[in-house]
Amino acid sequence: QQQVKQSPQSLIVQKGGISIINCAYENTAFDYFPWYQQFPGKGPALLIAIRPDVSEKKEGRFTISFNKSAKQFSLHIMDSQPGDSATYFCAASKGSQGNLIFGKGTKLSVKP
Amino acid sequence: AAGVIQSPRHLIKEKRETATLKCYPIPRHDTVYWYQQGPGQDPQFLISFYEKMQSDKGSIPDRFSAQQFSDYHSELNMSSLELGDSALYFCASSLGFYSSPNYGYTFGSGTRLTVV
Repeated sequence: QQQVKQSPQSLIVQKGGISIINCAYENTAFDYFPWYQQFPGKGPALLIAIRPDVSEKKEGRFTISFNKSAKQFSLHIMDSQPGDSATYFCAASKGSQGNLIFGKGTKLSVKP
Repeated sequence: AAGVIQSPRHLIKEKRETATLKCYPIPRHDTVYWYQQGPGQDPQFLISFYEKMQSDKGSIPDRFSAQQFSDYHSELNMSSLELGDSALYFCASSLGFYSSPNYGYTFGSGTRLTVV
């Protein structure tokens, strides 16, 4: 059973548009929710992360919205740029040494 | 800033051979994780170490073993390699305290293992 469900699988957005990727989780013990960006052949790079005591976190063009009661969180990329084209993974973990459990990933393509 | 260093970047091995992957975590990070990522797949957790002790184990085959040394670097040993072991192997490190402003997992650039 997939513990972290991510959608959509792929996303095409026009330059300047908003990219929205959604994730849902089952385990209420999860207490750390990061988003990673990955380019082909490279390691995942941490974009932004949130804890359950916060409903929203913004860093530059990236915003995480977190809904604890619905067990859902989402990534919004404002003013999407062609350089944002990559695969995005949501993840969750529990405890300060807990391993990350990833969603299946979303391949984002931003068209010029 | 120092990053997670993995070596080698690429490795080609034949079936039934043995491979050793190395990982050097960010200085002062106390937890190391190993992940396997197949083509088009999400990273799958293999094993982790906290302060040189195994802390958690995921879907790591019995043919694989890992350890963390006194200098905190870690090695993933893979024996009796199979074609299905071909994947990207990532190491990540973290500082295991939520209160740290720098808390978070940092991934290395990975080792691409090809088994032929």
